[in-house]
Amino acid sequence: NAGVTQTPKFQVLKTGQSMTLQCAQDMNHNSMYWYRQDPGMGLRLIYYSASEGTTDKGEVPNGYNVSRLNKREFSLRLESAAPSQTSVYFCASSEASGYTFGSGTRLTVV
Amino acid sequence: QKEVEQNSGPLSVPEGAIASLNCTYSDRVSQSFFWYRQYSGKSPELIMSIYSNGDKEDGRFTAQLNKASQYVSLLIRDSQPSDSATYLCAVRNTDTGRRALTFGSGTRLQVQP
Repeated sequence: NAGVTQTPKFQVLKTGQSMTLQCAQDMNHNSMYWYRQDPGMGLRLIYYSASEGTTDKGEVPNGYNVSRLNKREFSLRLESAAPSQTSVYFCASSEASGYTFGSGTRLTVV
Repeated sequence: QKEVEQNSGPLSVPEGAIASLNCTYSDRVSQSFFWYRQYSGKSPELIMSIYSNGDKEDGRFTAQLNKASQYVSLLIRDSQPSDSATYLCAVRNTDTGRRALTFGSGTRLQVQP
């Protein structure tokens, strides 16, 4: 099925550990995004990539890095996880119309 | 002031009634507007998009946009228990060159059987 695939679905990290969240889309979209969702805060943009080879910061980029590996894949890396990064992370892709979201990664940092 | 504001709810309506969800935005040059539905523990899914002032209907859903007053609303007719979810309003300003959406924090809708 066409769509956006995120891995892993769940992850528990210890403070200071690093990890990479993977995202891939097969809809040939140029634009890809990473959001985090916290209770009462809605979806907040971490980073986005308007096209292959470009990335830009969003509203809450601190503590994160991204890589647009190719047109299909856009990864999010936490270099040194902190409890404040406990959240649900969504990857999305888009063309002219609205987003298609992945199923999300529920991350807990203890 | 938040860029996109929604009442967090919950908005409770009886089955068969009309649910009215509202959203205001602060950036006057916002050009594209979207409503997403999100069930608990799931990812958001697009319900409707609207770009011009006025109403846009799709089945039981009607989106209304008033750029002069900077609000967008979603009406759900004949509400069903399966409509119980959080509804997210999102706006996009393409003048900035960004295609990224700015989301409100969502309104939780409860449809009572």
